[in-house]
Amino acid sequence: DAKTTQPPSMDCAEGRAANLPCNHSTISGNEYVYWYRQIHSQGPQYIIHGLKNNETNEMASLIITEDRKSSTLILPHATLRDTAVYYCIVRGHYGGSQGNLIFGKGTKLSVKP
Amino acid sequence: DAGVIQSPRHEVTEMGQEVTLRCKPISGHDYLFWYRQTMMRGLELLIYFNNNVPIDDSGMPEDRFSAKMPNASFSTLKIQPSEPRDSAVYFCASSPSDRALLPPFNTEAFFGQGTRLTVV
Repeated sequence: DAKTTQPPSMDCAEGRAANLPCNHSTISGNEYVYWYRQIHSQGPQYIIHGLKNNETNEMASLIITEDRKSSTLILPHATLRDTAVYYCIVRGHYGGSQGNLIFGKGTKLSVKP
Repeated sequence: DAGVIQSPRHEVTEMGQEVTLRCKPISGHDYLFWYRQTMMRGLELLIYFNNNVPIDDSGMPEDRFSAKMPNASFSTLKIQPSEPRDSAVYFCASSPSDRALLPPFNTEAFFGQGTRLTVV
């Protein structure tokens, strides 16, 4: 898997947008960008994914640069329950053990009242 | 639905002992996955089942690890004998389809809360 780089921590005020960056400069053409989060003592939770177009769902938006070397996850109105570690992952098209999710260290987002 | 249920939540055992982790998937989900998470290696897929049948166990680290799914509502992951390097959080996840594994991965797997295993 291509490596990703994320800041170790970020703070965000409740109700404001949280913008979490991720660098993936070695991403290859068929690799998707995935975002997961993990709230303390819970299993990973899928958030969103994309290939090259920007994506939006009920949880977040994903902005991918044109060269695909970086992306930003946007939580439009952060709440205290969004406090978690957020992981950016790139994954290609392979099966079997490629269910592996190499999370790295992620970004610890702290949403403050 | 209560979601994926794992037990125990925490397990501390001595090296050499047998450890059994348990999982109840979400009713109706045909796929069940066992993962292991450590800081060093991230989240690793150990094995997954489809309709109670093991499909891919290439992630199982050694013969000391075994997994079974005797019916659609129960699975176990057994380590015998356990070693300190097996210390990790073990997650069970279930999914209604294999799209959690295959591109474009747009069906997430539903994870349990994990079992934190410490082997001393």
